[in-house]
Amino acid sequence: EDQVTQSPEALRLQEGESSSLNCSYTVSGLRGLFWYRQDPGKGPEFLFTLYSAGEEKEKERLKATLTKKESFLHITAPKPEDSATYLCAVQAGGRADSWGKLQFGAGTQVVVTP
Amino acid sequence: DVKVTQSSRYLVKRTGEKVFLECVQDMDHENMFWYRQDPGLGLRLIYFSYDVKMKEKGDIPEGYSVSREKKERFSLILESASTNQTSMYLCASRTLSGGTDTQYFGPGTRLTVL
Repeated sequence: EDQVTQSPEALRLQEGESSSLNCSYTVSGLRGLFWYRQDPGKGPEFLFTLYSAGEEKEKERLKATLTKKESFLHITAPKPEDSATYLCAVQAGGRADSWGKLQFGAGTQVVVTP
Repeated sequence: DVKVTQSSRYLVKRTGEKVFLECVQDMDHENMFWYRQDPGLGLRLIYFSYDVKMKEKGDIPEGYSVSREKKERFSLILESASTNQTSMYLCASRTLSGGTDTQYFGPGTRLTVL
């Protein structure tokens, strides 16, 4: 069964203190790994899609990397506005009926204090 | 910008009522999804649709049905609402534009069933 595990569950950072979030997965034939940011009471906001091991994508202070077993979301010199829950999701490619179905992790809640 | 809208941000219903949640996207996307999000359980897929009038069950379809009569509109129906359906409901639509697989989410509907 496909499984997505995110760690840590919660992370408290000082402004400027870089850190990494982990997303480990087991899936039959990875089609894509997705990162989202979610603010309280709002829908998830798309950040990145990664397709193959070794791929990296960057957006402002965020950088996502992918290996065969896990993905990392690196937050460099975070600011208070980076406080949010970060969600990881995988899309399996082994089934004919995938149709873009995503399996989500439980998320990592990040709080950045000034 | 892609826009996914949901008919209500907050909804309060009574046990046994029939509830309609509506989602509209403005980008001609073929695939649309309904998720529910609960603390500690993350996002779970209820139903999805890959074309007009076409639908597939997700991981937790029991107690729900869906309707997609037009490409831009995907409705989630709770035939007889129960208290365990109190949750945040999120709609998403999927695009493969530019070679990147992306799901865009709406703002969510927080449903309370009393």
